[in-house]
Amino acid sequence: EDQVTQSPEALRLQEGESSSLNCSYTVSGLRGLFWYRQDPGKGPEFLFTLYSAGEEKEKERLKATLTKKESFLHITAPKPEDSATYLCAVLQDGSEKLVFGKGTKLTVNP
Amino acid sequence: ETGVTQTPRHLVMGMTNKKSLKCEQHLGHNAMYWYKQSAKKPLELMFVYSLEERVENNSVPSRFSPECPNSSHLFLHLHTLQPEDSALYLCASSQDTSGGVETQYFGPGTRLLVL
Repeated sequence: EDQVTQSPEALRLQEGESSSLNCSYTVSGLRGLFWYRQDPGKGPEFLFTLYSAGEEKEKERLKATLTKKESFLHITAPKPEDSATYLCAVLQDGSEKLVFGKGTKLTVNP
Repeated sequence: ETGVTQTPRHLVMGMTNKKSLKCEQHLGHNAMYWYKQSAKKPLELMFVYSLEERVENNSVPSRFSPECPNSSHLFLHLHTLQPEDSALYLCASSQDTSGGVETQYFGPGTRLLVL
């Protein structure tokens, strides 16, 4: 059973069309939830860490939020350069192992 | 550009070859990781080293052999690989704070093709 599920698998947006990506998790005792961005042929690039429900973090056009069961990555007025695969990962109590979702591939058309 | 470098960036090898992947981190971290990334699958943790000691071996076949000579360098030695081992191999590092929440920083990966 997947512990981290990301949806949708793929998302196409027009430039300027805001939307949200979802990451739901089933682990108990969440220590941290991470968002990464990955461009084709490159390693994941760290974006945010969220620690507790209600927490929000922002960076440019991206805003990450966290509840007890899921996290959202909101993209406001996206640009073509925001096109990438966005990965979510969780760290749970009693483990040093990051568990990743399969990612959401975002394409922003000009 | 991250503080984690990997070489080579691309590698093609036959099933009988022996090769090594190299990772170096310039962030002053004390923990390093190997991950495998295959198409349509989540990143899979392979090995974790903390303070140069292996702390996790995630049921990885013995044809993959890690080595961590110091806190800045990590190797993955490959031998007798199978075509299904073709994937992107990612190295990451973090600062191990013993129970804290450490962010892992990734290198660019080595794209491996096994023929």
